[in-house]
Amino acid sequence: DAGVIQSPRHEVTEMGQEVTLRCKPISGHDYLFWYRQTMMRGLELLIYFNNNVPIDDSGMPEDRFSAKMPNASFSTLKIQPSEPRDSAVYFCASSSSLAGINEQFFGPGTRLTVL
Amino acid sequence: AQSVTQLDSQVPVFEEAPVELRCNYSSSVSVYLFWYVQYPNQGLQLLLKYLSGSTLVKGINGFEAEFNKSQTSFHLRKPSVHISDTAEYFCAVKEMNAGGTSYGKLTFGQGTILTVHP
Repeated sequence: DAGVIQSPRHEVTEMGQEVTLRCKPISGHDYLFWYRQTMMRGLELLIYFNNNVPIDDSGMPEDRFSAKMPNASFSTLKIQPSEPRDSAVYFCASSSSLAGINEQFFGPGTRLTVL
Repeated sequence: AQSVTQLDSQVPVFEEAPVELRCNYSSSVSVYLFWYVQYPNQGLQLLLKYLSGSTLVKGINGFEAEFNKSQTSFHLRKPSVHISDTAEYFCAVKEMNAGGTSYGKLTFGQGTILTVHP
């Protein structure tokens, strides 16, 4: 299995621009998670989906952030408009409830820099 | 709601020395416990997990952790570290529901940076 795939791996953009981060979970997994990691705040859960339905988006910082999961094999995290404080590494993770324990598998992350 | 506290933000140690990374959690229900490792510029990888049974769990790369329910701790140990163990380590907890299965959400600690010096 290829594992969780994220793209792009690095993104540099200017303040005010729209940014879209992409994630392909492991095939067969029914949970998908978006995390943000910064030096100041550590690893934060932004939102997670079960069977493509958002379950908990309480970690989404503000309305500039949105996430979608149109099908079981693809999810996006969009920031519009982006701000310098959004600079962070964004991780996607997936897990399978069939395994019973929901161990999460992480992608390599997208390093976002907003100038 | 559950929470996780990693008591040391940084742990420097010399190669071949033993190491312990401390983790305490709080939860009103039973939990599953995890340790993840993050090497520089990489995503998180599962190191080990406690689900039930023996309180001493062994993971990859010679690491082990002990679940102590009375102290609500899940400390990570390795008897002899290598330079390649230099990484950031995250403790995480997942609450169980009444049926013994788990909800989706993991709660992570703030991480402990382990630096192994030659």
